Order: sequence, then C-alpha cells, then structure tokens
Amino acid sequence: SQQGEEDPQALSIQEGENATMNCSYKTSINNLQWYRQNSGRGLVHLILIRSNEREKHSGRLRVTLDTSKKSSSLLITASRAADTASYFCATDSLVSGGGTSYGKLTFGQGTILTVHP
Amino acid sequence: DAGVTQSPTHLIKTRGQQVTLRCSPKSGHDTVSWYQQALGQGPQFIFQYYEEEERQRGNFPDRFSGHQFPNYSSELNVNALLLGDSALYLCASSWRGHVAFFGQGTRLTVV
Repeated sequence: SQQGEEDPQALSIQEGENATMNCSYKTSINNLQWYRQNSGRGLVHLILIRSNEREKHSGRLRVTLDTSKKSSSLLITASRAADTASYFCATDSLVSGGGTSYGKLTFGQGTILTVHP
Repeated sequence: DAGVTQSPTHLIKTRGQQVTLRCSPKSGHDTVSWYQQALGQGPQFIFQYYEEEERQRGNFPDRFSGHQFPNYSSELNVNALLLGDSALYLCASSWRGHVAFFGQGTRLTVV
C-alpha cells in the first residue's frame, strides 16, 4: 500500500520558475527521502531528511519536514527543462519497539513535473 | 563503478508462465530490495535480502520469491504470472539499509 499522498499529481511550469511538491505520510518515520524518475526508468536519490531535521538543502533543492503534520515539501529553484521527471517521496518508517526497518521504503504516488523551455 | 544493474531490460511473458529477474548490486552493498511499480503508481516494496536471507517482505503473494547469492547479487522469481503482474520491477541496493541506489528496472509485460 502507498504511504500517503503527493500533491500536486502534475505540475507544469516555465524554465526559471520554482517548483514545489508536497508529500504527506501516515506513520512515524526514521527519515524521508525524495527520488526522481525519468521516463519510467530507474529512481535517482535526491535528498534525505531525518526525522529530527526540519530543513535541508542540496544545490537547487530545498526539503522541509514537519513531523507533527506528517508532511514534507520539495522545492526546486530556478527550474530547468532537464528537471522534467516524476518526483517521489519515500519514507523509512519506524518499526514498533524502536527497531529499524533496514531501509524498507514506502513511496507516494509521485508528482509529474514538466518544465517548458 | 557500474552501479546497480538489472537484466533483462524488457521481457514479455504469457499468463501462467514463470519469470526470473536478476540484479547485481552496487559495489560494496550487501542489501538488495525489490520493488514493483505499476504504471502511474509509486514503487511498492516486495521483499529485501540480506546475508542471503529474506529479511522482510511486503504484501505480495507467495508466487513472488527471491534469492540472494554469496556475491550479494539477487534474483526475483514470479510463478504463475497474471496480467496484473505487468509492471516495472526495480532492484535497489544499499549498505546495511542505508540510502538505496536503484537500477534501471526490468519492464515485464504479461500477455
């Protein structure tokens, strides 16, 4: 089953604009990760934010995490046509008793981002 | 470093047949996980192998089975194929469950 919802399902912007994608999840987590997928092929890891972190940056990416609302957002600044892809959030959930899930990821349904030149 | 490699890239099978998909993990990685991604959906966890044993499993029937070899490579086997098994099958490797690196996937079509 899917962990939660991603919003919006599809986003279309012009080059140079910022893109914001949101992700909600249901369970307590160890960390939340964002992945990119081009044309239905392999997933590329973008960024990981731990449950005790609120914000993280990597290049043009900014991720926020609100564990009280069980939500996260991914901001891509100054978008490029090459950013066109599907973006997925994935959670590494806490296991009852405090154990690790050993990296078992639960994915959302993804946001399809189209950046027009 | 070749990263995670999967074979074959595409496969067409008939209902009722059996299929084996293969995965070679990234160098230095000891954990392999398999995911199924239906069209338009996010990947769903099938199972994970560590030290040649299935460590955890998602909500998939017993028709889905796997194996991990001493060199950490892995196979996913699906028996009695159904039309609904048509999907992109992704292999991900990691070291001890840390950040997962994904292969390019195997596109399975069941007709």
